[in-house]
Amino acid sequence: RKEVEQDPGPFNVPEGATVAFNCTYSNSASQSFFWYRQDCRKEPKLLMSVYSSGNEDGRFTAQLNRASQYISLLIRDSKLSDSATYLCVVNRNSSASKIIFGSGTRLSIRP
Amino acid sequence: GAVVSQHPSRVICKSGTSVKIECRSLDFQATTMFWYRQFPKQSLMLMATSNEGSKATYEQGVEKDKFLINHASLTLSTLTVTSAHPEDSSFYICSARSRGVTDTQYFGPGTRLTVL
Repeated sequence: RKEVEQDPGPFNVPEGATVAFNCTYSNSASQSFFWYRQDCRKEPKLLMSVYSSGNEDGRFTAQLNRASQYISLLIRDSKLSDSATYLCVVNRNSSASKIIFGSGTRLSIRP
Repeated sequence: GAVVSQHPSRVICKSGTSVKIECRSLDFQATTMFWYRQFPKQSLMLMATSNEGSKATYEQGVEKDKFLINHASLTLSTLTVTSAHPEDSSFYICSARSRGVTDTQYFGPGTRLTVL
């Protein structure tokens, strides 16, 4: 079983739709959680950190459920520019700071 | 945000040659740098963790004699792929973590290596 698992998609949704991704992690001692986006043939870029209380940044909302060991990302009013691969990232141990990437969920927004 | 550069961005080489990739943190000091490899349509895989002034820590299955890492200063780490083979063709990405507070890693733009 992978340490961080995501549905690979692709999710193909119309512009303006709301879309949500989940990501599960297996190591209950994981400390920090992030969502990154990666455009084709580019490096990942940090989208947002995920806090225990949940956090929102504009159209993006991230939530963490430690009991069930999953994090989620909700995108409201999706734009064409949101088309990308979204990577769930888990920091296994904050002192060692090794981060584990999920395989990513591909999102395609259609006009 | 913090800026990390990589050089070269793309390299094509013949089988058996060695290739060096540089990773620089441009506006902050990076006590730790990470090297990842990403094959098409796959996730990033951590290859090694590089701490300034000490030997790199390699992940299981990554040959340290094949992928030489040097982190000689707080702003520069290099990855040398020795005796490259076609199966080493991949997208290599470095990331750097700034000294102190956060767990955030800043990624370089990546180096696409093609071994003929």
